[in-house]
Amino acid sequence: QKEVEQNSGPLSVPEGAIASLNCTYSDRVSQSFFWYRQYSGKSPELIMSIYSNGDKEDGRFTAQLNKASQYVSLLIRDSQPSDSATYLCAAFYGGATNKLIFGTGTLLAVQP
Amino acid sequence: ETGVTQTPRHLVMGMTNKKSLKCEQHLGHNAMYWYKQSAKKPLELMFVYSLEERVENNSVPSRFSPECPNSSHLFLHLHTLQPEDSALYLCASSPRTASSYNEQFFGPGTRLTVL
Repeated sequence: QKEVEQNSGPLSVPEGAIASLNCTYSDRVSQSFFWYRQYSGKSPELIMSIYSNGDKEDGRFTAQLNKASQYVSLLIRDSQPSDSATYLCAAFYGGATNKLIFGTGTLLAVQP
Repeated sequence: ETGVTQTPRHLVMGMTNKKSLKCEQHLGHNAMYWYKQSAKKPLELMFVYSLEERVENNSVPSRFSPECPNSSHLFLHLHTLQPEDSALYLCASSPRTASSYNEQFFGPGTRLTVL
C-alpha cells in the first residue's frame, strides 16, 4: 500500500512568518511530487511540482525534496492570511501503479 | 480558472434517481480523471482515461459509470446511489498518464448530496 502522510494540523503561524509544511511517502519508487492548495469549499490548485532532490523556488514558495529520507516539504515565506488553506501533498508512482497518491492535507492558519 | 470545467456545481438527488456529472477540459490534455473527496479522507482516484480509453477502475461500485466520448469530455453517470456517496466529485486532466511529469489540473468539482 503506497501512502503519503501529512500532519493534519492546524498549523498556526503569524502573518509574515515562514510556514513549513511536511510530507513523507512510503515508497522509494515515487518519482515526482506535487503540492496543491485547497481553500475551503474549493478544488485543489497546483502550486508546486518537484522532480529531483534539492530545493525549487517559485516566488514565496520553496519545495524541498529528499528522496533518501523520503520526505517533501513546502516553505511559504512572508505568510499572508490569504495563504490560509489546506495544503495537499501528492506523490506520483509510475510503473504498474501509474497514479497520483494524495495525503490528507495540512490545514494552515495564518494569523493577522 | 484551470481550463477544466464541471457541471453541475451542486447536485441533490434521491437514492432512486439517475443523474450525470459532466467535465470538459480546454487544455489539449490526453488524460482525464474522476476523484472522490470525502471529509477527513485523502482524495480517492475513481477512474482514469487515456485517449478515451479507460486505463484504471479503482474498485468503484457499479452504480458509478464513467463515459469518455473524446479526449476533452468526461462524464460520470450515477444511479441508485447511497447516502455515503455524498461527497465532492472532482475531475482532473493531465497531458498524459504514464509520465512522471503528471501535473494534474482540477475542475471546480460537483458537490453531491444523496438523500
